Amino acid sequence: NAGVTQTPKFQVLKTGQSMTLQCAQDMNHNSMYWYRQDPGMGLRLIYYSASEGTTDKGEVPNGYNVSRLNKREFSLRLESAAPSQTSVYFCASSRGLQETQYFGPGTRLLVL
Amino acid sequence: EDKVVQSPLSLVVHEGDTVTLNCSYEVTNFRSLLWYKQEKKAPTFLFMLTSSGIEKKSGRLSSILDKKELSSILNITATQTGDSAIYLCAVDPTSGSRLTFGEGTQLTVNP
Repeated sequence: NAGVTQTPKFQVLKTGQSMTLQCAQDMNHNSMYWYRQDPGMGLRLIYYSASEGTTDKGEVPNGYNVSRLNKREFSLRLESAAPSQTSVYFCASSRGLQETQYFGPGTRLLVL
Repeated sequence: EDKVVQSPLSLVVHEGDTVTLNCSYEVTNFRSLLWYKQEKKAPTFLFMLTSSGIEKKSGRLSSILDKKELSSILNITATQTGDSAIYLCAVDPTSGSRLTFGEGTQLTVNP
């Protein structure tokens, strides 16, 4: 099992460009999450999906959209990137809400 | 608003030392507390604690929860350079659906 995978590993964008971060898990987990990690701020939840077909806002959803494509895949979209969105993005999954979350390797995003 | 505070924020020790990392929390309807280790990649799960006073152990690492004091500690004995990492504490409330993370403790173990 690969666990949680993310693509790309690293991306540079110009302000105003759009892109989609991809996440997939092969653990048959129901719940999936997107976090961003910034120095001195820990991990902050952007959006989560309790189960296939549902998505909900987390702590810092502004500027992002998500799609739970199927049970395996949960993508994060930046429609118009801003320098404030420079961060490391982690996808995670869990068997259900309030179960242990397992993390992907992260995507490092730089917005110029 | 749920809150998790870790201390110290950073710690430098020598190999063989024992360290204690602290995590305190304020959450509505606590369910569990989790510890993660983050090296130069994604966080990896260490422990989940739900019951007060019961120690969880894995090799040189151990953790215990004190619900009365709303806190947890993570102990690492006989530290090794490979223990150098950020240690994250997170709390899972019953009322919500997501973890709240602390800032993390940056541990550096020097040879």
